[in-house]
Amino acid sequence: QKEVEQNSGPLSVPEGAIASLNCTYSDRGSQSFFWYRQYSGKSPELIMSIYSNGDKEDGRFTAQLNKASQYVSLLIRDSQPSDSATYLCAVDGGSNYKLTFGKGTLLTVNP
Amino acid sequence: DTEVTQTPKHLVMGMTNKKSLKCEQHMGHRAMYWYKQKAKKPPELMFVYSYEKLSINESVPSRFSPECPNSSLLNLHLHALQPEDSALYLCASSQGAGGTYEQYFGPGTRLTVT
Repeated sequence: QKEVEQNSGPLSVPEGAIASLNCTYSDRGSQSFFWYRQYSGKSPELIMSIYSNGDKEDGRFTAQLNKASQYVSLLIRDSQPSDSATYLCAVDGGSNYKLTFGKGTLLTVNP
Repeated sequence: DTEVTQTPKHLVMGMTNKKSLKCEQHMGHRAMYWYKQKAKKPPELMFVYSYEKLSINESVPSRFSPECPNSSLLNLHLHALQPEDSALYLCASSQGAGGTYEQYFGPGTRLTVT
């Protein structure tokens, strides 16, 4: 069974710090990786997608992918209280083309 | 602007009722999805439509009946639901079907079954 593992948290960081969110996956055939942000009571919002090894930056967000280690991470620089949310890691299923979600990490940014 | 819209935002229904959830995407995508999400859990895939044809049914009970009238619209017909079906129902769309494509979610319908 394909698995996506995330630290459930909560992860608490002070305002202005770097928040680091981690995700590991079990299917070596996976090629596509996504980070979603979900505020309490709202729907998931796609914030980053990454397909190749290395870093991908978008504003304050950086996604990092290491396929050899089956590891994907999301860094949030200059964290703001508005970043407080649950972050879901999602991975394509390889041969099974479903999207598999991790259980999410709750991030709290303290003013 | 939200490019995937869902109606209604909230729905309360009894176990004998029949109701429908509606989803519309304005992104020109060819795949649409229904997910169910319980509190503090990740979304669970229910159905996938690709080019208006059902391509995945994740063994969902028959009291949930999807319908795809055209490539922009997706409905979920509900009948004889159980209280445990209370959840946030999410519609999503993507350029193509499958996990390699970015999926964009609508705002969801909060369903309560009494």
